[in-house]
Amino acid sequence: GAGVSQTPSNKVTEKGKYVELRCDPISGHTALYWYRQSLGQGPEFLIYFQGTGAADDSGLPNDRFFAVRPEGSVSTLKIQRTERGDSAVYLCASSLGGAGDTQYFGPGTRLTVL
Amino acid sequence: AQTVTQSQPEMSVQEAETVTLSCTYDTSENNYYLFWYKQPPSRQMILVIRQEAYKQQNATENRFSVNFQKAAKSFSLKISDSQLGDTAMYFCAFCTNSGYALNFGKGTSLLVTP
Repeated sequence: GAGVSQTPSNKVTEKGKYVELRCDPISGHTALYWYRQSLGQGPEFLIYFQGTGAADDSGLPNDRFFAVRPEGSVSTLKIQRTERGDSAVYLCASSLGGAGDTQYFGPGTRLTVL
Repeated sequence: AQTVTQSQPEMSVQEAETVTLSCTYDTSENNYYLFWYKQPPSRQMILVIRQEAYKQQNATENRFSVNFQKAAKSFSLKISDSQLGDTAMYFCAFCTNSGYALNFGKGTSLLVTP
């Protein structure tokens, strides 16, 4: 079956602009996660959805970052007033929803803020 | 705070040989799950192996096996009969039974040479 997909694969924007990153999880997976991976580092947790609601958004760095999952499937990560420090690979993952279930990752979106 | 430490930033192994990647973690929880993920240059994070902390038996998946030492909070990955396609970044990660986000280490870059 289809895996997790993310669009776009690459996004270049200018400082101060608004961007949206999209994630399509595996069909039937109720849990969806966003992570950010800076160069040379492991992924860092941003936010976790169980169904339509954000169950844990403790990893969002500040109020410029926001994510939605209105129908419990596709999710969009939104970044306002982008800064150069936001440049990273943004990874999305999904799982069946139980504690410790394997998370399946998408290929990521590389965001570059000029 | 929960942390994951991978003390080997880079490792190299010859094809067909065996290599062990180290990982230690710190948590005050008793129930948790441990993972090794592989990330080739394509960026796609792929699950290698998963271990449930309450299980004494070490997990194995074909050429991949773990040495899980719960008291020492150690979770090393052994790759037997290394293949050129094993060249990648390897990340150790864990999540607790009460939280769903993965905590990742900084990764080990493995190079398999002919």
